[in-house]
Amino acid sequence: GDSVTQMEGPVTLSEEAFLTINCTYTATGYPSLFWYVQYPGEGLQLLLKATKADDKGSNKGFEATYRKETTSFHLEKGSVQVSDSAVYFCALIFLGGNQFYFGTGTSLTVIP
Amino acid sequence: ETGVTQSPTHLIKTRGQQVTLRCSSQSGHNTVSWYQQALGQGPQFIFQYYREEENGRGNFPPRFSGLQFPNYSSELNVNALELDDSALYLCASSSTTSGGLAYNEQFFGPGTRLTVL
Repeated sequence: GDSVTQMEGPVTLSEEAFLTINCTYTATGYPSLFWYVQYPGEGLQLLLKATKADDKGSNKGFEATYRKETTSFHLEKGSVQVSDSAVYFCALIFLGGNQFYFGTGTSLTVIP
Repeated sequence: ETGVTQSPTHLIKTRGQQVTLRCSSQSGHNTVSWYQQALGQGPQFIFQYYREEENGRGNFPPRFSGLQFPNYSSELNVNALELDDSALYLCASSSTTSGGLAYNEQFFGPGTRLTVL
């Protein structure tokens, strides 16, 4: 079935370190791909998205490229800040579909 | 523009009781989806409402039911609560055209934290 697999956490990095959170997907069609972020005690916020192969989504210094050949959508940031500490969720949805399929989330802690 | 709001913020119930959670969709949105997020897990799709009718359902039993009102707000009802129903319940709003084409971007509310004792 359709699913999303994320790298297991938690991830702990020093401020200004490079971040990669891996995400791969299994899908019967060609989904749109998303990264959501959840800060402690809050709901989900859309971080970035890509709707077709080779698209790159970017926001707040985060980037992810839709790789159809490897069915991946890895999240990267060149220099993390303490304020980036949160849980990150990779998700997919099909065009016209009604439900997101989420990964299990990756917790990131950035220490000064 | 008003975002998605949910009430209450927190709720404590005992096993066997019933609960109603509420969601107001973002201005201009006509579709509401509900998700259950267990501790340490990603959100799981419960169901979606469009035009006051259920428009898709995930793998949840019938004791999870919902309503959508003419102003597009929504309720999630859970009967015969079980301990495993303890979770964060998220509501998300989005737009669907009159032709049934859904715009995929869903905007999430802050959630209701339900604890079942």
